[in-house]
Amino acid sequence: EVQLLESGGGLVEPGGSLRLSCAGSGFTFSTYDMSWVRQAPGKGLEWVSGISGSGGSTYYADSVNGRFTLSRDNSESTLYLQMNSLTAEDTAVYYCAKVGTTWPEHFPHWGQGTLVTVSP
Amino acid sequence: DIQMTQSPSSLSASVGDRVTITCRASQSISRSLNWYQHKSGKAPKLLIYATSSLQSGVPSRFTGSGSGTDFTLTISSLQPEDSATYYCQQSYSNLYSFGQGTKLEIK
Repeated sequence: EVQLLESGGGLVEPGGSLRLSCAGSGFTFSTYDMSWVRQAPGKGLEWVSGISGSGGSTYYADSVNGRFTLSRDNSESTLYLQMNSLTAEDTAVYYCAKVGTTWPEHFPHWGQGTLVTVSP
Repeated sequence: DIQMTQSPSSLSASVGDRVTITCRASQSISRSLNWYQHKSGKAPKLLIYATSSLQSGVPSRFTGSGSGTDFTLTISSLQPEDSATYYCQQSYSNLYSFGQGTKLEIK
């Protein structure tokens, strides 16, 4: 069974940094592209960032480009999202998601989410 | 970047009704369109992928159609448990994007 477990969320001051982790199990981690998706309070889903299975390619939404860095450690089956220069607009529940086995890509597997709150 | 626009933003319907949600892409995305159901406090759930493929375990009352820029999600006979927010999502571009969501209320 595919499992994704996020961690690292919490309260951080504006301008601060936080690193989220997503531990995957039940599948060959290095084979699959992964993404982070967030939902701010009262808002819709927003795709944040994606990474290829090898980690060689990364992609970012304009809203986080230059502030967030996505990486993965395939030996540890873990995805990381380094978030810098955080603002109140980054307050959200952050979900990690794994793509399916067929193309075009889609997300059949999601973690339970971790809450990030940016506040003084 | 590809923008996704859903309509309506919200709707209210009765059990047994047929409901249709539309999603329009700002450019052609072929059939790279997915639909998710999201309930408060839970992870999003994939319903439909590649425009019309039903995800395993999803009831057959959910169907998807379309191509290019215009897509639809149809619920053939609304059930109480279908109360949720529904999102379309494109995977044509490496910069994925979601629609703004359609909140579905059961009367």
